Amino acid sequence: SQTIHQWPATLVQPVGSPLSLECTVEGTSNPNLYWYRQAAGRGLQLLFYSVGIGQISSEVPQNLSASRPQDRQFILSSKKLLLSDSGFYLCAWSGRLGDTQYFGPGTRLTVL
Amino acid sequence: TQLLEQSPQFLSIQEGENLTVYCNSSSVFSSLQWYRQEPGEGPVLLVTVVTGGEVKKLKRLTFQFGDARKDSSLHITAAQPGDTGLYLCAGHGSSNTGKLIFGQGTTLQVKP
Repeated sequence: SQTIHQWPATLVQPVGSPLSLECTVEGTSNPNLYWYRQAAGRGLQLLFYSVGIGQISSEVPQNLSASRPQDRQFILSSKKLLLSDSGFYLCAWSGRLGDTQYFGPGTRLTVL
Repeated sequence: TQLLEQSPQFLSIQEGENLTVYCNSSSVFSSLQWYRQEPGEGPVLLVTVVTGGEVKKLKRLTFQFGDARKDSSLHITAAQPGDTGLYLCAGHGSSNTGKLIFGQGTTLQVKP
């Protein structure tokens, strides 16, 4: 069966520091991968998605970037964090575009 | 822009009561998913509905997709404290990005 991992689970970073969040998927190949951000108790906003290695599409302009160095690895990064980058970050995968998406456990990021 | 409006946003009921959560849009969706999310965790898929008028049951939960595929509802019979959580509806947009459009979420609290 497929599993999706995210780390770290929680992170507290100062403003202006760099960021690297990692997501990996097991049990499937060539997944579509997604990064979402969620405000407290609310719906999710899609940040990036990837259909293959090195292929990244950005949904909203922001202080963040994404990379996919391996088939089942998706990384969310920032060179300098802003207070507004605080939130709950979720990674998801699907078999094909338009298929059901399955979510990881999430990373709680607090920027102070 | 496709939007999904969920109602109500908050619901606090006593154990044993019934409830319905609505997810409405003016746009047609190819499919709709319902997720349940616990605090600090990723959303967990409950059901996917794809056919207009479709009804799916998951124990005490009944999901319905509108005939025109523009709306959906989640009905819980005899709610239990274990049903407490954030319920999210999500649909695939008209673009070919696999982008999931989320409703704002319904926070349900079931008191024993």
